[in-house]
Amino acid sequence: QVQLKESGPGLVQPSETLSLTCTVSGFSLTSYSVSWVRQPSGKGPEWMGRMWYDGDTAYNSALKSRLSISRDTSKNQVFLKMNSLQTDDTGTYYCTRDRVIRGFDYWGQGVMVTVSS
Amino acid sequence: DVVLTQTPPTLSATIGQSVSISCRSSQSLLHSNGNTYLHWLLQRPGQSPQLLIYLVSRLESGVPNRFSGSGSGTDFTLKISGVEAEDLGVYYCVQGTHAPDTFGAGTKLELK
Repeated sequence: QVQLKESGPGLVQPSETLSLTCTVSGFSLTSYSVSWVRQPSGKGPEWMGRMWYDGDTAYNSALKSRLSISRDTSKNQVFLKMNSLQTDDTGTYYCTRDRVIRGFDYWGQGVMVTVSS
Repeated sequence: DVVLTQTPPTLSATIGQSVSISCRSSQSLLHSNGNTYLHWLLQRPGQSPQLLIYLVSRLESGVPNRFSGSGSGTDFTLKISGVEAEDLGVYYCVQGTHAPDTFGAGTKLELK
C-alpha cells in the first residue's frame, strides 16, 4: 500500500538549516510526484514545493530563495532543505503524493518542527 | 497567488444534519485544458489531511457518498448529507489550477 513517512529533527536553532527526509513505499518516484506541505499550529496548510516524477522541481515563490528539494530514487526518498529558519517556520511538515488530477492523495504522518534557541 | 475563502469558519451540526461549506476563489479555477483543479480535504483531530473529493465533484475511493462537491469558476461547495461523528474535523479546499497550489483557511465542523 502507499505510504509516506517524514523524518528529521524536531528542534532547529534560528538561522540554521532544516533537513527532512520523506521515505515512500508502494509507488515509484519516477511515476508519481511528491510535494512538501507545511502547517503552522492551528492554521491552514501551505504548499512548499514539488519534486516532479521526471526529476524537475517547483517551488513556492515565497520560499524559493531558502528551499531546495531533491531525491534519491534508489532509496525511494525525497529530501527537503530549507535555510535561514525563523520562529514562524515552526509547524508540522508533511510530504504528500501529488497527482495533478487528484491533488494530494496520500499524506505522511507529518513531523513537528520547532524553531527555537 | 490565488486566495481561497472558506465560509463559515466554524460549523456546528447535530448527527444526521446536512451541512454545506463554501469555497470561493479570487480567480477562476477553470484551467485552459478544461479541468478545474479544486479539491477538498478533511483533517481529523490529530491526523494528517485526507483527500475526499477531487476535480470539484469526484469522490475519492473509499469516501462515503454522503459527501458531494459542486461548483464552477470561482464558487464551490462541499455538502455532507447526514453528518456522522467521524466527519468531525477541519475541511480544506485546495486549488492546483494556478501556481502555486493554495489552500483555504479551513472550516471546522464540530458537534452542536
